[in-house]
Amino acid sequence: GENVEQHPSTLSVQEGDSAVIKCTYSDSASNYFPWYKQELGKGPQLIIDIRSNVGEKKDQRIAVTLNKTAKHFSLHITETQPEDSAVYFCAASRRGDSWGKLQFGAGTQVVVTP
Amino acid sequence: DVKVTQSSRYLVKRTGEKVFLECVQDMDHENMFWYRQDPGLGLRLIYFSYDVKMKEKGDIPEGYSVSREKKERFSLILESASTNQTSMYLCASSPTVRGEKLFFGSGTQLSVL
Repeated sequence: GENVEQHPSTLSVQEGDSAVIKCTYSDSASNYFPWYKQELGKGPQLIIDIRSNVGEKKDQRIAVTLNKTAKHFSLHITETQPEDSAVYFCAASRRGDSWGKLQFGAGTQVVVTP
Repeated sequence: DVKVTQSSRYLVKRTGEKVFLECVQDMDHENMFWYRQDPGLGLRLIYFSYDVKMKEKGDIPEGYSVSREKKERFSLILESASTNQTSMYLCASSPTVRGEKLFFGSGTQLSVL
């Protein structure tokens, strides 16, 4: 089955700097890669997702890049703000897989210091 | 605003008790999921349901069962709670059966003593 590894487990950045979180996956047939943000006391919320037919996707200050050859994808947050402090999860699944088989990474705790 | 509501934020139970975790969604989604969140392990799928009265096992179904009698409600049942089931439980719903674009509830932190 799919295995998703996420690094780093914790990330501390100065406000205004960029943050990058990397994930690797094991199943070359995986083709859907979402990122979720979990703020303290809340459930995870989808912030961006990408499919394998696209190499990069941007939404304001966040972007995701995908390298299918190397089987890794990354989340980039530019101009970080205190409200970006949260736990971020990557995940992967493949089309045609049965019923909701998203595999999540272990999560990255991001702390943005003013 | 779309909403997934979990009945309890914190729950404390004793070993051997039968525990019910309730979840309700107001988005008319066919698909609902129960995940378990543990530090360093991410989110792991326990069970999901793609229709009323239909269910499928996820990656860690042992010790759990589910019930979906109505489209908007999905319950997770711990038949005989054990200390290793102390965890954060997250309910989610999705418009797609593959669990894409999940909408999560705020979670129930369950402690089994």
